[in-house]
Amino acid sequence: KNEVEQSPQNLTAQEGEFITINCSYSVGISALHWLQQHPGGGIVSLFMLSSGKKKHGRLIATINIQEKHSSLHITASHPRDSAVYICAGNRGSRLTFGEGTQLTVNP
Amino acid sequence: DGGITQSPKYLFRKEGQNVTLSCEQNLNHDAMYWYRQDPGQGLRLIYYSQIVNDFQKGDIAEGYSVSREKKESFPLTVTSAQKNPTAFYLCASSIFGEETQYFGPGTRLLVL
Repeated sequence: KNEVEQSPQNLTAQEGEFITINCSYSVGISALHWLQQHPGGGIVSLFMLSSGKKKHGRLIATINIQEKHSSLHITASHPRDSAVYICAGNRGSRLTFGEGTQLTVNP
Repeated sequence: DGGITQSPKYLFRKEGQNVTLSCEQNLNHDAMYWYRQDPGQGLRLIYYSQIVNDFQKGDIAEGYSVSREKKESFPLTVTSAQKNPTAFYLCASSIFGEETQYFGPGTRLLVL
């Protein structure tokens, strides 16, 4: 079993829809990251969470430490949100990555 | 502008050839990392270095080598012993002890 598992693997939405991507992680993960990878391959860090909730623009990330579960929400989705979204967990200074969720938002 | 640069963007390797991927950062970060990304799989750690002249193997170090002679540079050599080198390679860096890593743009390696 992977230390970090995310779902769904693929997600297609219509512009304007509310999107949720989920991530479950194992014991020993101290912080949880949400990353965005665009088609060119570059990765951008969106959030780092160890508790609670963070919001940046239309993106919201939450974490439930007891359940070892995190979600990334996108409100009012737009075609430019199309990317791979990756959940990653810290075990010390090392990161363990989920397989990613390919999000496609159609106009 | 501070950041991480990787070169080249695309690299072609012939069978039996060693190739070196460059990673440079001007963020004054102590720690640097190399990851490999294959389709349908999460990023996997190849090597990491937390300080100059020191580095540790990650989860898939076989067939790779690194050096860390300068704080800003962490080149990765893909040796002929790596039997399946075709992948997307990402370099990252972080401040020692901090959890957020900053990623370079990546190098796509193809075997001819």
